[in-house]
Amino acid sequence: QVQLRESGPGLVRPSETLSLTCTVSGESISDYFWSWIRQPPGKGLEWIGYISHGGSPHYNPSLKSRVTMSLDTSKNHFSLSLSSVTAADTAVYYCARDEAETGGLDYWGQGNLVTVSS
Amino acid sequence: YVLTQPPSLSVAPGETARIACGGDNIRSKSVHWYQQKAGQAPVLVINYDRDRPSGIPERFSGSNSGNTATLTISRVEAGDEADYYCQVWDISSDHRVFGGGTRLTVL
Repeated sequence: QVQLRESGPGLVRPSETLSLTCTVSGESISDYFWSWIRQPPGKGLEWIGYISHGGSPHYNPSLKSRVTMSLDTSKNHFSLSLSSVTAADTAVYYCARDEAETGGLDYWGQGNLVTVSS
Repeated sequence: YVLTQPPSLSVAPGETARIACGGDNIRSKSVHWYQQKAGQAPVLVINYDRDRPSGIPERFSGSNSGNTATLTISRVEAGDEADYYCQVWDISSDHRVFGGGTRLTVL
């Protein structure tokens, strides 16, 4: 059974960098693509980007200038960094397994609420 | 690429809910549907237009034609009350795109 779990701070100060990690169990991250998605409180889902099994990232243009994704196969986890955060980046951040051939997201983590506030 | 969903839909128990997802020539894309209950992570309920992942009831079905994809929930139950999102892979940009979501209320 594939399981994903996000981890990271729940509070980030404005202008700083948000960093999250998604740890995967039951599957090797070397075999799939992996996406990050966020959801501001009371709003819809926004795709942030994906990282391929080979470590190549692809980002949503609306966030591209501030986003970095990486893969650590030795720990079977992947990471998200979002720089220069503002209150508008307050959201629940989800990681998900990405079926590269169809673009569907078949397994999701439980989500990590990140609040941007001083 | 833009996906358009109605913000809300209300149906009585036992009735059929049809949730639309509009997009330019959406029939040329693979459409996926997610169910998100209050306070929970989204769950994939329809993959690749009409495939149901393991564990998803047969009451959930999908179709895709022209400029509209549709998620159909037959014999709606109280437990189906949730937000539903459609999503596609825009091959030209290699982006994953979500619709705005539809809140299904079971009366």
